[in-house]
Amino acid sequence: GAGVSQSPSNKVTEKGKDVELRCDPISGHTALYWYRQRLGQGLEFLIYFQGNSAPDKSGLPSDRFSAERTGESVSTLTIQRTQQEDSAVYLCASSPGTYNNEQFFGPGTRLTVL
Amino acid sequence: DQQVKQNSPSLSVQEGRISILNCDYTNSMFDYFLWYKKYPAEGPTFLISISSIKDKNEDGRFTVFLNKSAKHLSLHIVPSQPGDSAVYFCAASPKTSYDKVIFGPGTSLSVIP
Repeated sequence: GAGVSQSPSNKVTEKGKDVELRCDPISGHTALYWYRQRLGQGLEFLIYFQGNSAPDKSGLPSDRFSAERTGESVSTLTIQRTQQEDSAVYLCASSPGTYNNEQFFGPGTRLTVL
Repeated sequence: DQQVKQNSPSLSVQEGRISILNCDYTNSMFDYFLWYKKYPAEGPTFLISISSIKDKNEDGRFTVFLNKSAKHLSLHIVPSQPGDSAVYFCAASPKTSYDKVIFGPGTSLSVIP
């Protein structure tokens, strides 16, 4: 399909391990976002990429979190030394980067840290 | 400090009646407002939007009203259907940075058959 895809859909890891989450945005979308949704909470902004500009990392909760994007395609979100409070659904979204800034979301990756 | 607030975490409505979901914002620079709907185990999907130059936008059963002076917007769904049961997120972006979207915490709507 032509939508945003994320992998894996579910990830269970042990506390202290590193995890890598992947997002494939819609082709041609210049903007890419990562959000986190903890159980019973709203969408928490993590990081935003727009074209070749420096990413907006203002939402990253700690230096254990990092993200990269290759050009205007795939992005990976890496969480080092995972903690139990990192357990959440991690959502990726992309948008055309124009004024009509509707975001298209992927299905999310459910991360469980034991 | 939450810039986009949805003070009702949940709402129950009878099928066929009107659902009204409310959203308040604090940043007067917000220029564009969106509503997203989210089903369990899925990502949010865009529902409807409104620019600050309008006070109403309608799309089928969904209407969004914007009151800029009160910094308040609402989503009306009429008539409500059981398939509308979902979490609804209000979102806003400022004129100066239209791609920086701030989401509210969401309201869970249950439409009872």
